[in-house]
Amino acid sequence: DTEVTQTPKHLVMGMTNKKSLKCEQHMGHRAMYWYKQKAKKPPELMFVYSYEKLSINESVPSRFSPECPNSSLLNLHLHALQPEDSALYLCASSQETGGLYNEQFFGPGTRLTVL
Amino acid sequence: AQSVAQPEDQVNVAEGNPLTVKCTYSVSGNPYLFWYVQYPNRGLQFLLKYITGDNLVKGSYGFEAEFNKSQTSFHLKKPSALVSDSALYFCAVRDRAGRRALTFGSGTRLQVQP
Repeated sequence: DTEVTQTPKHLVMGMTNKKSLKCEQHMGHRAMYWYKQKAKKPPELMFVYSYEKLSINESVPSRFSPECPNSSLLNLHLHALQPEDSALYLCASSQETGGLYNEQFFGPGTRLTVL
Repeated sequence: AQSVAQPEDQVNVAEGNPLTVKCTYSVSGNPYLFWYVQYPNRGLQFLLKYITGDNLVKGSYGFEAEFNKSQTSFHLKKPSALVSDSALYFCAVRDRAGRRALTFGSGTRLQVQP
């Protein structure tokens, strides 16, 4: 299985809502990532988990809260978002061993709209 | 610091013609270089990567890329374009001594006309 799955595909939420994005992979990858992508722009890294521990937080606002419950799952909890947070949220995974040349496998993304 | 430049926002090519999508990079040491493709409303799909060794790297769907250290370039090429190749292409770099994070270029939209 070489697939990264993300749910939901689309999410519309108000600024006072709490919601979660989910990501799953069964490739045995121990590094998992959250990216934010605005239209016609490259992905921007948000968080990196390595062996279920948060290793990189790119100064992301606290209204975004990541969680890695186990080696296959990655969540992104959303609370009190702003309209400018509307974007495509991408999850990715890669092998942790062997160095930094391992490619990342991306999920299809969750299209988030904040009203 | 590492950076990637994709100088063309869009590349137009006729079906059957060769295509080139340009990428130049800047890193403090030797790079790991990647190409990804993104179709509308989809995630990124890995095409190929340069680690070391042969400067010509072959990847998925007939794509290849040439690593040129003196010109700090990693241009993506395909001998014969297909309409289905139309998509957004991202070059990315990682410094071998750096963090796990990739640095992406701004992206180039490839339009292949029938």
